[in-house]
Amino acid sequence: NAGVTQTPKFRILKIGQSMTLQCTQDMNHNYMYWYRQDPGMGLKLIYYSVGAGITDKGEVPNGYNVSRSTTEDFPLRLELAAPSQTSVYFCASSYEKGGYNEQFFGPGTRLTVL
Amino acid sequence: DQQVKQNSPSLSVQEGRISILNCDYTNSMFDYFLWYKKYPAEGPTFLISISSIKDKNEDGRFTVFLNKSAKHLSLHIVPSQPGDSAVYFCAAEVNQAGTALIFGKGTTLSVSS
Repeated sequence: NAGVTQTPKFRILKIGQSMTLQCTQDMNHNYMYWYRQDPGMGLKLIYYSVGAGITDKGEVPNGYNVSRSTTEDFPLRLELAAPSQTSVYFCASSYEKGGYNEQFFGPGTRLTVL
Repeated sequence: DQQVKQNSPSLSVQEGRISILNCDYTNSMFDYFLWYKKYPAEGPTFLISISSIKDKNEDGRFTVFLNKSAKHLSLHIVPSQPGDSAVYFCAAEVNQAGTALIFGKGTTLSVSS
């Protein structure tokens, strides 16, 4: 199993550009998440999904959109990139294990907006 | 308002000694606490968890202690090894389907040989 894969690994955007961060998992997990990590900070939830066709906002959703058409894929869309969106983005998936959700993370996408 | 706090940004210990990483929380509704480990340029990986109804959970060299009255938990690593050098995140969740984790800011552990 590849686990959770993310593309691209790095990207530089200009202000106002748009892009899609790709995330795919091959573990047949129902739950998927997008987090961002700013320097010196913990991970903050952007959006999450409890299954195909179902998405919901997290703590910091402004400036982002998501879709979940399949169990495997959970892309994150930035429509009008801003410098405040410079961050490392992590996708994760999970299943319920003995009462808690053990989340499996991808390697991250480092995004810089100039 | 941070619900999960890791007040020590960094910790340095010698190989073979004990590493103690601390975490405080404010939300008494949390059902589970998890520790994740992160190496540079990689995603976090799950290390160990503890239910809010337990006070200790042990897995090999890693033990997590929970003090509910103090809203405090700690991760003990004994003995520490150079390969343990990483950022450790404390995280908490309320037990609902697909609930996301609330993360602390992390503590960078450096283990010297």
